[in-house]
Amino acid sequence: QSVLTQPPSVSEAPGQRVTISCTGSSSNIGAGYDVHWYQQLPGTAPKLLIYGNNNRPSGVPDRFSGSKSGTSASLAITGLQVEDEADYYCQSYDSSLSASVFGGGTKLTVL
Amino acid sequence: QVTLKESGPVLVKPTETLTLTCTVSGFSLNNARTGVSWIRQPPGKALEWLAHISSNDEESYSTSLKSRLTISKDTSKSQVVLTMTSMDPVDTATYYCARNYIIVAGDYYMDVWGIGTTVTVSS
Repeated sequence: QSVLTQPPSVSEAPGQRVTISCTGSSSNIGAGYDVHWYQQLPGTAPKLLIYGNNNRPSGVPDRFSGSKSGTSASLAITGLQVEDEADYYCQSYDSSLSASVFGGGTKLTVL
Repeated sequence: QVTLKESGPVLVKPTETLTLTCTVSGFSLNNARTGVSWIRQPPGKALEWLAHISSNDEESYSTSLKSRLTISKDTSKSQVVLTMTSMDPVDTATYYCARNYIIVAGDYYMDVWGIGTTVTVSS
């Protein structure tokens, strides 16, 4: 079981909005550690999508946004496109484990 | 341009020790705001963080794999090496190295990833 919990899958139609949740605890997200998000397209390495809860690296469209509240974080994608179909992972630091931790990943299907 | 490239054996036998090398370019392993992590992904499964080494050689490891892992770096060669002992078929995975951008000690994100190297454990 992953320390950070994500829904296994989400689906939505092109052009719509979808959110992916990442639920942690008081030793990671709730302790104030930042949440970062990665996109993994089929057959490729993960790519940084959001860092520091809500910051986009250069080149990432503003359709992608992140937020954090309490012991949870969310990734929102607006104006869904077929090419957004991918696996999405959240990542943070856990002080009780003294380790970086990933969520279990969420597979996004754009119907 | 920052790049990382993983190298190592494609196939290892059960009980053997795996040694993987991450060769970096475009940044220095001495940069105080960066480090390098190893992450793995079994086929069809989620990412799993394994280990991290910082610019001042501070090491951290996955709690569940700590007894089997060693991470080290050779700054002159721009390389980070991960060794994993007692390999088992469940360790079959794609192994990635990634540059870490350090926010504060322990809190970092992986801003550039290598393409990964696939390791199969089988007799």
